Amino acid sequence: AQSVSQHNHHVILSEAASLELGCNYSYGGTVNLFWYVQYPGQHLQLLLKYFSGDPLVKGIKGFEAEFIKSKFSFNLRKPSVQWSDTAEYFCAGYSNYQLIWGAGTKLIIKP
Amino acid sequence: SQTIHQWPATLVQPVGSPLSLECTVEGTSNPNLYWYRQAAGRGLQLLFYSVGIGQISSEVPQNLSASRPQDRQFILSSKKLLLSDSGFYLCAWSRTGEGSYNEQFFGPGTRLTVL
Repeated sequence: AQSVSQHNHHVILSEAASLELGCNYSYGGTVNLFWYVQYPGQHLQLLLKYFSGDPLVKGIKGFEAEFIKSKFSFNLRKPSVQWSDTAEYFCAGYSNYQLIWGAGTKLIIKP
Repeated sequence: SQTIHQWPATLVQPVGSPLSLECTVEGTSNPNLYWYRQAAGRGLQLLFYSVGIGQISSEVPQNLSASRPQDRQFILSSKKLLLSDSGFYLCAWSRTGEGSYNEQFFGPGTRLTVL
């Protein structure tokens, strides 16, 4: 079955720590992958997306993600997190006319 | 620019009562429209999607239904709510056509509590 999985449901980091959130997908064909973020009390919004080309994708607020086809992965990274990065992060993949979502990772940054 | 509206923002309803949640999109035409339910720790569950007026696809069998009476209006309904219908409901839209890249844009959501 087509699925997107996120490795961690909760991550707690201190400010300035480096971040990597895991995401794996399990479907073939054309791969369109997304990371969305939901800040407390705000809408879900797009962080970055991958469709083709350079597998290293840069998004807003200093985030980036790397598509590794051989590992079926699309991990989200940020070299130095800030308190304002506290949010829930969702990985999603597009397949068969719909987005397939991971369960989400709640990220808490301690000041 | 495009905007998406949902109302109400919060709703408390008794078990067995009807439901109507509305979503409208402005600034685009012929969008794909989606209803999701977001549950803590379980991500987003797609409930319905629509690629055009009167065209509704259901992903999860349940006592909810959806309708699209106008191009940019999407309604989520129920005749009799269950306790298990409590949750956070999100409406989203995406562009159609080649090059749309299938990015979805989300509304603010409706928090539904069934008592």
